[in-house]
Amino acid sequence: EVQLVESGGGLVQPGGSLRLSCAASGFTFSSSWMTWARQAPGKGLEWVANINVDGSVEQYVDSAKGRFTVSRDNAKSSLYLQMNSLRAEDTAVYYCAKNAGWYRLDSWGPGTLVSVSS
Amino acid sequence: QSALTQPRSVSGSPGQSVTISCTGTSSDVGGYNYVSWYQQHPGKAPKLMIYDVTKRPSGVPDRFSGSKSGNTASLTISGLQAEDEADYYCCSFAGSSGVFGGGTKLTVL
Repeated sequence: EVQLVESGGGLVQPGGSLRLSCAASGFTFSSSWMTWARQAPGKGLEWVANINVDGSVEQYVDSAKGRFTVSRDNAKSSLYLQMNSLRAEDTAVYYCAKNAGWYRLDSWGPGTLVSVSS
Repeated sequence: QSALTQPRSVSGSPGQSVTISCTGTSSDVGGYNYVSWYQQHPGKAPKLMIYDVTKRPSGVPDRFSGSKSGNTASLTISGLQAEDEADYYCCSFAGSSGVFGGGTKLTVL
């Protein structure tokens, strides 16, 4: 059974940093593209970033470029999202998802809440 | 990377059919056959219901179907059931990025 579990969320001040993690199991992590998506309170889903199987390709939504970095450790079956220069509008539940190809996001974690506030 | 356009809400009675539209541009929905649909119940993670415009993952009832015409994709749910009440989101490949719709709240009357 595919399992994805995010961690690392919390309350951070504007301008601060957080590193989210996503622990994966139940599938061949090293063969899967992975995706981060987020959902602001009461709002819709927003795609944030993709990473390819070996980490050589990273893709970001415009609002995350230059501030967020997606990475992975295939030996640990783990996905990461380093978020710097955080803004109030980054407040959201962040989900990691297994990307089976062309935004076929076939498994999702339960999400981790990031709150950016002073 | 503008969000795809979905109706904010739709409703139907048990047993009826409803269709949710998802309108984009030739750079996303219209340009590729890579539209997916997600169901999200309150407080839960999204669940994949349709991918590649028309394909259903195993375990998703055949009451759920997808289609596309031009820049608009659609999700049709037939034989509505109470448990179908949820938020639904479309998502499209858009070159080197992805884009979701704003979401549609389905109410089963």
